[in-house]
This record gives sequence, C-alpha cells and structure tokens, in this order.
Amino acid sequence: EVQLVESGGGLVQPGRSMKLSCAASGFTFNNYDMAWVCQAPKKGLEWVATISYDGSSTYYRDSVKGRFTISRDNAKSTLYLQMDSLRSEDTATYYCARHIRGGAASDYWGQGVMVTVSS
Amino acid sequence: DIQMTQSPASLSASLGETVTIECLASEDIYSNLAWYQQKPGKSPQLLIYYANSLNDGVPSRFSGSGSGTQYSLKINSLQSEDVSIYFCQQNYDSPWTFGGGTKLELK
Repeated sequence: EVQLVESGGGLVQPGRSMKLSCAASGFTFNNYDMAWVCQAPKKGLEWVATISYDGSSTYYRDSVKGRFTISRDNAKSTLYLQMDSLRSEDTATYYCARHIRGGAASDYWGQGVMVTVSS
Repeated sequence: DIQMTQSPASLSASLGETVTIECLASEDIYSNLAWYQQKPGKSPQLLIYYANSLNDGVPSRFSGSGSGTQYSLKINSLQSEDVSIYFCQQNYDSPWTFGGGTKLELK
C-alpha cells in the first residue's frame, strides 16, 4: 500500500525557517517525480514545487523561488521541503504528493501537515 | 501562467442526478487536465488524468471529457458519498495551476 506521511509542521515566526519531511513507502520511490502542494485555510489548492525522480531537476512556483528548496533522499525514500524567510501568506496545509509516471497529475497524497506563520 | 476557471463554484443536486463541472483553461493544454475530489478534512484524491482516463479504483460513474481549452467532469447517478469539493488542474506547463474548486452538495 502506497503511503506518504508528512511531518515537521507547526507554528513559526515570520522570517524564520522550517523543514518538512515526507516519508514514502509501498512503492519504488526513486521511480517517481514528487511534489509539494499547499492549501491555505478554507482556500483552494496551489502547487508549490516538484522534483524529478533522481533529484536532478526542480521546479517552483514564483512566490517561493529563492525561499523554498525541494529535495529528496532516495536511499531513505524521503522527500523534503526547506522553507526559509517564511511569510504569513505561506500559512497553509502542505501535502506531499506523488506524480503519475510520465505526467504531472498526482495520484497519491499524504495526509498533510499544517504550517502556521505568525508572530 | 495558465489560468484555470472552474464553474460553477457551487452546485446542489439530488441523489441519482447527473452533474457536470466545467473547467476552462486560458490557453490550449492539449488534454493535460486532471480532476480531483476532496472530502472535508481529507486529502485530495485523483479521479481523472489526461482529461478522460479514470484513475484506478474510481467508480465508473465519474467521467472526463474535453480538449483544447474546455474540459468537463461528469458524475452520473449522484451518490451521497460524492458530496465533496472538486478541483481541476492543468498538467501541461509549470506552474501546474488548479481551478478554484466546485463545492457539490445534496439538495
């Protein structure tokens, strides 16, 4: 059974950093591109970042470029999101998601982790 | 960025009814369109990818269609468990943008 389990969320002050992790199991992690998608409270979904199966390519939405870094450790089947210079508008639930093979739709999602940026 | 305009924003329908949700892209996305269902307090679930391919385990009452800039999700014979918010997402070009969502309720 495919499982994606996020961790690392919580309350953080504006300007500070936070690192999210996503532990994957039930599939061959290094065969799949992976993504982070966020959802502000009572709002819609926003794609944040994607990393290729081997970590060689990364893609970001404009609002997080230069502040967030997506990475992965295929030996540990774990995806990461390093979030620096956090802003109040980054407050959201962050989901780890697996891309389908050869495409950018996401067929498995984690349960999500809440990040609250507030003083 | 490709803008995705989803309609209607909310929809009320009766059990057994057929409902359709539309998604309009700001440019041609060549059928790179996915539909997701999100139940309250839960993670999104993939229903349809490449505009009309049904994801594994999704009931056959769900179907997707469309091409170019116009796409739709149809739910036949509405069931109570279909009460959810539905999102479309274009997968053609980064950033992979979502529609604003359609909240489906029972009448």
